[in-house]
Amino acid sequence: EVQLVESGGGLVQPGGSLRLSCAASGFTFSDHYMDWVRQAPGKGPEWVARIRNKAKSYTTEYAASVKGRFTISRDDSKNSLYIQMSSLKTEDTALYYCARGLRDNSGYHYFDNLGQGTLVTVSS
Amino acid sequence: DIQMTQSPSSLSASVGDSVTITCRASQGITNHLAWFQQKPGKAPKSLIYAASSLQSGVPSKFSGSGSGTDFTLTISSLQPEDFATYYCLHYNNYPLNFGGGTKVEIK
Repeated sequence: EVQLVESGGGLVQPGGSLRLSCAASGFTFSDHYMDWVRQAPGKGPEWVARIRNKAKSYTTEYAASVKGRFTISRDDSKNSLYIQMSSLKTEDTALYYCARGLRDNSGYHYFDNLGQGTLVTVSS
Repeated sequence: DIQMTQSPSSLSASVGDSVTITCRASQGITNHLAWFQQKPGKAPKSLIYAASSLQSGVPSKFSGSGSGTDFTLTISSLQPEDFATYYCLHYNNYPLNFGGGTKVEIK
């Protein structure tokens, strides 16, 4: 069974930093692209970042709203995904989910399983 | 960026009804579209990918269709557990973008 368990959320002041982690199990983590998705209270989900696998040199993609402030990374030896968030803004307040990437028949990557999320609150 | 527009934003239906939700992309995305279901307090759950392929374990009452810019999700014979919010997601290029959601409520 695929399991994704996020941790590291909490209350942080504007301008502060936080590092989220996601522990993965139940699948071959190293084979998969991985994503972070967030959802602000009462809003729809928003894709945040993606990291490809070793075969694709661990290259990354970011939403414009976080580019330059957030850094996605992974440690395949620990089956873990991370996101380092800095220069946090009040609008970054959200539930942050990690998600497993999957490749469809045309070679494009979507995501399926999401964890239960970790809450980040940016407030003074 | 490709914007995704869902309609309606909400709908009311009765148990046993069939409903159709529409998602329109601001430019062509071939079939690189997924659908998610979200219940209150839960993470989004993947239902469909590649516009019409059912995710493993998802009942066949859910079906998707479309290509290019116009897509639909149809839910047949609504049951109480199907009342939720549904989102489309394009994954054609970056940034991936979700639609605004459709809340399916009990009439």
